[in-house]
Amino acid sequence: DADVTQTPRNRITKTGKRIMLECSQTKGHDRMYWYRQDPGLGLRLIYYSFDVKDINKGEISDGYSVSRQAQAKFSLSLESAIPNQTALYFCATSDLGRRDTDTQYFGPGTRLTVL
Amino acid sequence: AQTVTQSQPEMSVQEAETVTLSCTYDTSESDYYLFWYKQPPSRQMILVIRQEAYKQQNATENRFSVNFQKAAKSFSLKISDSQLGDAAMYFCAYRSGGAAGNKLTFGGGTRVLVKP
Repeated sequence: DADVTQTPRNRITKTGKRIMLECSQTKGHDRMYWYRQDPGLGLRLIYYSFDVKDINKGEISDGYSVSRQAQAKFSLSLESAIPNQTALYFCATSDLGRRDTDTQYFGPGTRLTVL
Repeated sequence: AQTVTQSQPEMSVQEAETVTLSCTYDTSESDYYLFWYKQPPSRQMILVIRQEAYKQQNATENRFSVNFQKAAKSFSLKISDSQLGDAAMYFCAYRSGGAAGNKLTFGGGTRVLVKP
């Protein structure tokens, strides 16, 4: 089984709809991240969480919110989806505090299309 | 804020040949890490190689190696003996070395095409 899972893998929705993307991990990592990928721009950080009580905004948090329900679960919500939020979304995890081995592990991604 | 630039949108290489992908970054920090990630058509982000800025020795992982030039802020990836499975998008990424430096900053990516 994959260590980092994302649901759904693909989603088509309409402008104005609320949508939630979910991420779960079995790696036992404390840190979790949400990134967005657009063509030619690489991945950009939306939100990150260092533990259940710690949530931080990333580079492009406007229009998004997150919830860290447990150490293993981190959800991303679009309260009112708009077409320019059409993108590939990745969840990632990393271990706490071990800076020399602090590699981020990515989920398989969710392709979101907002019509 | 740090920035990462990949100036080659696409590179083509013949199978078994060598290709080098360029990456430059801008930072005022002295403690940081650099990474190359591979994204095949499956979309999965796969770590290829990492380099600690405080290490002078260039990192190597099998057919993948880097040329880290700290003063020039350059971090190129060399793929030797290219294989069809190397065809993918490659992303260069930067991470600060400080306590809160967990966040990755990515370049725009380079698509590698491998010709049989």
